Amino acid sequence: RKEVEQDPGPFNVPEGATVAFNCTYSNSASQSFFWYRQDCRKEPKLLMSVYSSGNEDGRFTAQLNRASQYISLLIRDSKLSDSATYLCVVSALNTNAGKSTFGDGTTLTVKP
Amino acid sequence: NAGVMQNPRHLVRRRGQEARLRCSPMKGHSHVYWYRQLPEEGLKFMVYLQKENIIDESGMPKERFSAEFPKEGPSILRIQQVVRGDSAAYFCASSPKGTIADSPLHFGNGTRLTVT
Repeated sequence: RKEVEQDPGPFNVPEGATVAFNCTYSNSASQSFFWYRQDCRKEPKLLMSVYSSGNEDGRFTAQLNRASQYISLLIRDSKLSDSATYLCVVSALNTNAGKSTFGDGTTLTVKP
Repeated sequence: NAGVMQNPRHLVRRRGQEARLRCSPMKGHSHVYWYRQLPEEGLKFMVYLQKENIIDESGMPKERFSAEFPKEGPSILRIQQVVRGDSAAYFCASSPKGTIADSPLHFGNGTRLTVT
């Protein structure tokens, strides 16, 4: 089983739709959670951190469920420019340093 | 404030040659991470370095791959005797702290290595 697993996708949605991605993680010691966005296999860019209480940034809402060990990303009112691959990132401290584990990503295509 | 700088952007090597990938972290960042992304796959952690120290190399292949982050100059990821399976995008990231909890990663543009 992978340490971080994401919905396989791809998700194809019309403009204006609401879409949600889930990501499960296996390491219960995980401390930090992020969503990154990657366009056309360019460098990943931080979209948002995920906080225990859930957090919102404009049309994007991230939530964390520690009991079930998953995080989610909700995108409302999808735009064409939201088309990208969304990476779930989970970090835990080992004995020497922090190390991030990336999910394989979920591809979103927003169509006119 | 320049971001993470990687060079070259594209690198073509014949089988058996050496590949050297360079990464200069963001100003003020002393923690560097290398990731590899194979075609149609996700990012895989390779190695974590601080200045002059390798902190975690658990993701590095046992042979042919090495990394360094000298006191002066960029971090170098070196691949000796490249094979076709090494063809991938190699991303470098940096952070100001070693614990990622409070300092998300900042990525460079990546180096696309093609082995012919």
